[in-house]
Amino acid sequence: QKEVEQNSGPLSVPEGAIASLNCTYSDRGSQSFFWYRQYSGKSPELIMFIYSNGDKEDGRFTAQLNKASQYVSLLIRDSQPSDSATYLCAVKTSGTYKYIFGTGTRLKVLA
Amino acid sequence: GAGVSQTPSNKVTEKGKYVELRCDPISGHTALYWYRQSLGQGPEFLIYFQGTGAADDSGLPNDRFFAVRPEGSVSTLKIQRTERGDSAVYLCASSTGYGSTEAFFGQGTRLTVV
Repeated sequence: QKEVEQNSGPLSVPEGAIASLNCTYSDRGSQSFFWYRQYSGKSPELIMFIYSNGDKEDGRFTAQLNKASQYVSLLIRDSQPSDSATYLCAVKTSGTYKYIFGTGTRLKVLA
Repeated sequence: GAGVSQTPSNKVTEKGKYVELRCDPISGHTALYWYRQSLGQGPEFLIYFQGTGAADDSGLPNDRFFAVRPEGSVSTLKIQRTERGDSAVYLCASSTGYGSTEAFFGQGTRLTVV
């Protein structure tokens, strides 16, 4: 089992819709969770991080964390074509400084 | 500097040659990471520095790979006897290193071994 799992996609949503991206992780000791956006040929760019169970909102983005079920999700409201990218989930476990990444989910927002 | 800087942006080398990839982290960031990303994959951890020391090098694939950070700032990833399978984008990231802080990535070095 991979440490961090994401559906590779592509996930296609129409412009203006809500895009929902999911990530599961295997290590119950994981403490910090990060969502990065990566455009084709570019490096990952941090969108959000979340440490506590529940929701965290930042503009059109909402991160949701459920430690009991070991999943973290990212919702993108009012999706725009410019949101089309690969979204990487990263997890950091207590006691280490290593960020473990999933393979990413490719999102396509259709105009 | 304002962001993480990596040089060169592209490197083409012949199989068997030695290469060095450089990373200049965000000023004041004590933690520095090297990752490798192949097409269609997420970044794969290679090594983490806290200050000058390699706190975790568990991701280095074999002894052809080595990294240094002699003054706690700039880091160099060194690959000896390169193989075609080493072709990938090598990403460097830095963070403040304390607690659960986010890491910021450089633009990467695309290494192609021919």
